[in-house]
Amino acid sequence: NAGVTQTPKFQVLKTGQSMTLQCAQDMNHEYMSWYRQDPGMGLRLIHYSVGAGITDQGEVPNGYNVSRSTTEDFPLRLLSAAPSQTSVYFCASSYSGSSETNNEQFFGPGTRLTVL
Amino acid sequence: TQLLEQSPQFLSIQEGENLTVYCNSSSVFSSLQWYRQEPGEGPVLLVTVVTGGEVKKLKRLTFQFGDARKDSSLHITAAQPGDTGLYLCAVPKWSNYQLIWGAGTKLIIKP
Repeated sequence: NAGVTQTPKFQVLKTGQSMTLQCAQDMNHEYMSWYRQDPGMGLRLIHYSVGAGITDQGEVPNGYNVSRSTTEDFPLRLLSAAPSQTSVYFCASSYSGSSETNNEQFFGPGTRLTVL
Repeated sequence: TQLLEQSPQFLSIQEGENLTVYCNSSSVFSSLQWYRQEPGEGPVLLVTVVTGGEVKKLKRLTFQFGDARKDSSLHITAAQPGDTGLYLCAVPKWSNYQLIWGAGTKLIIKP
């Protein structure tokens, strides 16, 4: 199993450009999420999905769109990049069980994005 | 103000020393998780604690959930360079698979 994969590893954009961060998992997890990680602020939830065709906003959704057409893939789109979106982005997946011990989140290696 | 306060923010110690890091909140949680993140990688789950007062051990790491389920500690005995990383605590907010994260403790163990 590859687990959670993310591409690209690094990306530099100019203000106003658009791009899509790719995320895929091969563990048949129902739940997937996108986080951004900034120094001193921990991980903040951008968007999440509880299954194919279902997405919802997290704590910091502005400037980002997502879709979930398959169980495996959960791309994150930046429509018009801004310097404030410079960050490290992590995709995560987990089993959707309701038990507290079944919600381990498996993370991808991250995408380091710089917006100039 | 962060829901979860982790302390210290940064800790650098020599190999072989003991250390404790903390995750505190004024809210009560049904469970709490600890993750370790190494440079250039995503976080990896170390443990989930569920019961107030619960103690779990993972080799040289001891995790404790506070009696009131508002806080947790991670104690490392005889720290090794391989323990170097960012230690994050996380709790469920809206549901068991939507987590709120602390800012982390960056730990460096010097040989």
